[in-house]
Amino acid sequence: ETGVTQTPRHLVMGMTNKKSLKCEQHLGHNAMYWYKQSAKKPLELMFVYSLEERVENNSVPSRFSPECPNSSHLFLHLHTLQPEDSALYLCASSQDWDQGITGNTIYFGEGSWLTVV
Amino acid sequence: AQKVTQAQTEISVVEKEDVTLDCVYETRDTTYYLFWYKQPPSGELVFLIRRNSFDEQNEISGRYSWNFQKSTSSFNFTITASQVVDSAVYFCALSGLFSGGYNKLIFGAGTRLAVHP
Repeated sequence: ETGVTQTPRHLVMGMTNKKSLKCEQHLGHNAMYWYKQSAKKPLELMFVYSLEERVENNSVPSRFSPECPNSSHLFLHLHTLQPEDSALYLCASSQDWDQGITGNTIYFGEGSWLTVV
Repeated sequence: AQKVTQAQTEISVVEKEDVTLDCVYETRDTTYYLFWYKQPPSGELVFLIRRNSFDEQNEISGRYSWNFQKSTSSFNFTITASQVVDSAVYFCALSGLFSGGYNKLIFGAGTRLAVHP
């Protein structure tokens, strides 16, 4: 059983819809991440939250809006998406997000398969 | 530049064969981390191993083994006596200061392994 759970597992939405992806981690970690995996590109980091504060935003379009209400939950709010945004969105967590040399292992959820029509 | 290359796009083997997945990396860091993840069809990225750049000792875990060679910047993964359940996409990843931090993974494109009965 994974320590990082994502819902929904599958989502189909129109370009004018608003939907949200939810992630919950049961590992007691302080850092949470959103990654995007599309067919044509390697896994891309989108956002990083550390102790509920956003610490990374990798030039992600504003139609993707993350929210981290507490260290266990992470949301990705979606609005006016484009068909090219169809992808697998993976949530992940690690013990900490730090710039020191103590790199942490990052644990991923099962992902949310998003199709924009 | 920080980069991970997995030159093998797809590998197909028959059950019980040994198979090696190649990973070559580029980095300016002297301290960095290397990872392998497995992604079965369900989508979840399953953590397999994390290796610190100062630890060049090879590792074996059951049917899995990893060969880390700094001299050739490679971190290859071997599955011995492959099984159908090993069928998945396998990703090699790198993190270091020049990638933006030790918790910021740079992924290779992945190698799809198909194990046939």
